[in-house]
Amino acid sequence: SAVISQKPSRDICQRGTSLTIQCQVDSQVTMMFWYRQQPGQSLTLIATANQGSEATYESGFVIDKFPISRPNLTFSTLTVSNMSPEDSSIYLCSVERGMGETQYFGPGTRLLVL
Amino acid sequence: KNQVEQSPQSLIILEGKNCTLQCNYTVSPFSNLRWYKQDTGRGPVSLTIMTFSENTKSNGRYTATLDADTKQSSLHITASQLSDSASYICVVVSNSGYALNFGKGTSLLVTP
Repeated sequence: SAVISQKPSRDICQRGTSLTIQCQVDSQVTMMFWYRQQPGQSLTLIATANQGSEATYESGFVIDKFPISRPNLTFSTLTVSNMSPEDSSIYLCSVERGMGETQYFGPGTRLLVL
Repeated sequence: KNQVEQSPQSLIILEGKNCTLQCNYTVSPFSNLRWYKQDTGRGPVSLTIMTFSENTKSNGRYTATLDADTKQSSLHITASQLSDSASYICVVVSNSGYALNFGKGTSLLVTP
């Protein structure tokens, strides 16, 4: 299994500002992902955080808006930049040890942008 | 376009009763199908993972079935408990670029 923590658990931010979300895993993992879950919706993959190289972004998500860092195999950050109310959502970090294996999710960060 | 459709959208049942949630998909090529439980305010937790050759898999009171020919899966919950109240998400994984396709979930409420 994998135990994942996220900081902050929730935040209320003003539009135009940026927020950095941290994800810490209790053991080394190869694959690390960032998701967004908007109210009443399912999860949408933002990007795959690659250790030692640039993140791989899904269609509709760009590095300037969601810069990601992954300095090692247990930690990653997602920044939501120049926020607007449309960015209000739950942001989840997840990890997977290998393709086809169980995916573990963090508790999520609830973001409200005013 | 790869799609995952879940039904019903929401469900209310009495404690102790059984229920079945449905998941239909068009994802191809198929790698595996996963069911997750997501409690309010928490991240999803894996219940089962099934590959093409598996027809059924159980995890306690949860039993998932898969018919890869008709591209349908179900999650059966036996003797429901209040703690089963949650959103249940079906995820179908394609082995084309390892893409995860999420359903919108079924919201289950178990009442006393």
